[in-house]
Amino acid sequence: QQQVKQSPQSLIVQKGGISIINCAYENTAFDYFPWYQQFPGKGPALLIAIRPDVSEKKEGRFTISFNKSAKQFSLHIMDSQPGDSATYFCAASWAGTALIFGKGTTLSVSS
Amino acid sequence: KAGVTQTPRYLIKTRGQQVTLSCSPISGHRSVSWYQQTPGQGLQFLFEYFSETQRNKGNFPGRFSGRQFSNSRSEMNVSTLELGDSALYLCASSTQPGPTSYEQYFGPGTRLTVT
Repeated sequence: QQQVKQSPQSLIVQKGGISIINCAYENTAFDYFPWYQQFPGKGPALLIAIRPDVSEKKEGRFTISFNKSAKQFSLHIMDSQPGDSATYFCAASWAGTALIFGKGTTLSVSS
Repeated sequence: KAGVTQTPRYLIKTRGQQVTLSCSPISGHRSVSWYQQTPGQGLQFLFEYFSETQRNKGNFPGRFSGRQFSNSRSEMNVSTLELGDSALYLCASSTQPGPTSYEQYFGPGTRLTVT
């Protein structure tokens, strides 16, 4: 019940295309859903986050879509660029406690 | 504002030894969490400290321990190292735990290799 399931494991997208990464959770007590971006040799960087009272949040080319009834949330990267090539992690937490991470998605944007 | 700093960045230890890793949070942040990242298990929560007190603990053996100092700096210790402890150890800081502030910012990590 504490798991966050992330898919796909890897993703190849053409430059300018849309990258979509999906996550699903079971614990309905989760109330914070962030996405992190990690480049090789670096720590994860907070990209964007959403609370369950909002169905969508957009920041620049990054959008989180949240479906509370389906217990799913996704990250959309519009106009994907080679510089977006990284590993993306979804996560969830409850009341500010430990982040539970998905297994990660390796995104490659080809030019 | 400086980010989360972790020292050392790289460490090689032998099985059976112990190791101490250090983390300095972002200025003004009082909560520090530690995570272990491995290719097989991904990112897993170790423990969280706030005001020098352990607030939350993940599912790791007692060989893993930590502490936090009055200046919010934190250390984690792993005793009797095993090969499986080889991982990237990440520290994350936030202003404080609880529902008013969830954002956690990660440091670059300490790469521990156990031989």
